[in-house]
Amino acid sequence: QQQVKQSPQSLIVQKGGISIINCAYENTAFDYFPWYQQFPGKGPALLIAIRPDVSEKKEGRFTISFNKSAKQFSLHIMDSQPGDSATYFCAASKGSSASKIIFGSGTRLSIRP
Amino acid sequence: DAMVIQNPRYQVTQFGKPVTLSCSQTLNHNVMYWYQQKSSQAPKLLFHYYDKDFNNEADTPDNFQSRRPNTSFCFLDIRSPGLGDAAMYLCATSRDLALRADTQYFGPGTRLTVL
Repeated sequence: QQQVKQSPQSLIVQKGGISIINCAYENTAFDYFPWYQQFPGKGPALLIAIRPDVSEKKEGRFTISFNKSAKQFSLHIMDSQPGDSATYFCAASKGSSASKIIFGSGTRLSIRP
Repeated sequence: DAMVIQNPRYQVTQFGKPVTLSCSQTLNHNVMYWYQQKSSQAPKLLFHYYDKDFNNEADTPDNFQSRRPNTSFCFLDIRSPGLGDAAMYLCATSRDLALRADTQYFGPGTRLTVL
């Protein structure tokens, strides 16, 4: 119930292509879904986040698509660049218990020049 | 710039020798967290402080302790490090537990090596 399942584990995309990472959750009490980007040797940094009252959120080349009925959400990176190569974690939390962020297992993204 | 600072960035200790990792923040956030992240894994929450209130995760080993002497600083103490404690230790902060959709801001981490 508390898990967030993330796929794929690793992803290779050509420069300029679209990178898509998928996540699914079980607990319908989750109401905040952030994505974190982590470069090697660095801490995770918040990339973009969505609440379940919207189906899509876009910030620059990054878009979250949210399907509340299917309990799924995904990150799309348009025009992927080598600088996007990093590990991406989806996550979920409950507003009443914001201390507990449940992370997905992570996706290692490599963008080929 | 407001930020979360961790010192040292790299720490080497011997098996069984106590070690302390440090975190400071200039964000004036109420909540501070400690995570353990092993290679190719997601961060795992060890505990958090809400102001001075300490909240331990049920599966955090007793070997791990924490102190928060003031709003800005938080320390992670590993009393007797084992080889399995080698990991990246991440400090994070958030404004307040009561806020919905509150963001956690992570520091750069301390890479701990146990010899």
